[in-house]
Amino acid sequence: GNSVTQMEGPVTLSEEAFLTINCTYTATGYPSLFWYVQYPGEGLQLLLKATKADDKGSNKGFEATYRKETTSFHLEKGSVQVSDSAVYFCALRNTGNQFYFGTGTSLTVIP
Amino acid sequence: DTEVTQTPKHLVMGMTNKKSLKCEQHMGHRAMYWYKQKAKKPPELMFVYSYEKLSINESVPSRFSPECPNSSLLNLHLHALQPEDSALYLCASSHPLAGAYEQYFGPGTRLTVT
Repeated sequence: GNSVTQMEGPVTLSEEAFLTINCTYTATGYPSLFWYVQYPGEGLQLLLKATKADDKGSNKGFEATYRKETTSFHLEKGSVQVSDSAVYFCALRNTGNQFYFGTGTSLTVIP
Repeated sequence: DTEVTQTPKHLVMGMTNKKSLKCEQHMGHRAMYWYKQKAKKPPELMFVYSYEKLSINESVPSRFSPECPNSSLLNLHLHALQPEDSALYLCASSHPLAGAYEQYFGPGTRLTVT
């Protein structure tokens, strides 16, 4: 079946620290992988995506590389800001219409 | 236009009320979704419509009744809800049956059942 495993939070970092949020997946075939971000009181926003092995998605200083050999899609940012405080969800889409979400990782960045 | 709109933003209803949530998108997406999200949890899939036909119902209680009147609109009719149904209800849309495409989410309706 399809599933996503995401590192547990919450994560608290100081401003300008390096961020890694781990995500691994289980899927048959060749899924597409996504990172979504949810700010308090809002819906989910697409942060970045990758649709095939070795693709790197990037946006707003965040990056993630689709690693088929390790079935991973870890989110990284070199220098976090207070405004990055949010909940981050890793997700996959395989064939069909269904998306599979990880449990979410809450990030708090302190000045 | 990559926006999904949802109304109302907040809703408080009693257990005997009937209300509806509305969702609209104009991106030409033919897959539309309802999710329920509790605090600090991932979205939980409720229903999926593909080409205006219900394709997935995740064993949702019948007090939730979805409707897709056309390719741009999605409704969720609520009746006789329970306090545990209080949550954020998210609508989303996507290209159907195309694995490379992401979902676009609305801002959600915050529902409180009293």
